[in-house]
Amino acid sequence: NAGVTQTPKFRVLKTGQSMTLLCAQDMNHEYMYWYRQDPGMGLRLIHYSVGEGTTAKGEVPDGYNVSRLKKQNFLLGLESAAPSQTSVYFCASVRDGGSYTFGSGTRLTVV
Amino acid sequence: DQQVKQNSPSLSVQEGRISILNCDYTNSMFDYFLWYKKYPAEGPTFLISISSIKDKNEDGRFTVFLNKSAKHLSLHIVPSQPGDSAVYFCAASADGNNRLAFGKGNQVVVIP
Repeated sequence: NAGVTQTPKFRVLKTGQSMTLLCAQDMNHEYMYWYRQDPGMGLRLIHYSVGEGTTAKGEVPDGYNVSRLKKQNFLLGLESAAPSQTSVYFCASVRDGGSYTFGSGTRLTVV
Repeated sequence: DQQVKQNSPSLSVQEGRISILNCDYTNSMFDYFLWYKKYPAEGPTFLISISSIKDKNEDGRFTVFLNKSAKHLSLHIVPSQPGDSAVYFCAASADGNNRLAFGKGNQVVVIP
């Protein structure tokens, strides 16, 4: 049982480049979330999904897009990366209530 | 606006002693509170939770206390062990979308 898997684990982008972060969960969870963690800022919610085909904005959605075409996958896209998007990105999922299961994170650097 | 606040970013404690982490919140609609533990280069892992209908929840060495009138909760770890050295996040939930608001985290260092 892999839980929540994030790919890639590390990435360096140039300003203006695009990329997609993939989150996959094998627990049949309805709810999925993308957070970013920055020093001194804790975890901030970017976007989330309450089920297949749904997405919603979180606390810091600007510069990101998401898609949930399949229940097990939640994709986070950066269309034109900026240095301010240098961060560690965490994906999480939950069935309904209870505690999140987090992935191990993607460390992104934008130069 | 930070709805979940963790002050005192770091804490050092001797092995065997008690670690106490504090968390304050501003949203009176929060009804479920959690603590997560995070090691470097790993995702946060669930530690313990408490519903707003309770004032205490205990799980082994970990106890969470909730004071709703003060909008304050605390995590007690006793006895502290070197493996407890990590960042601890307080989180709270208020809605049916299961969204969690996180604090900034507390770094705990347990000295052998």
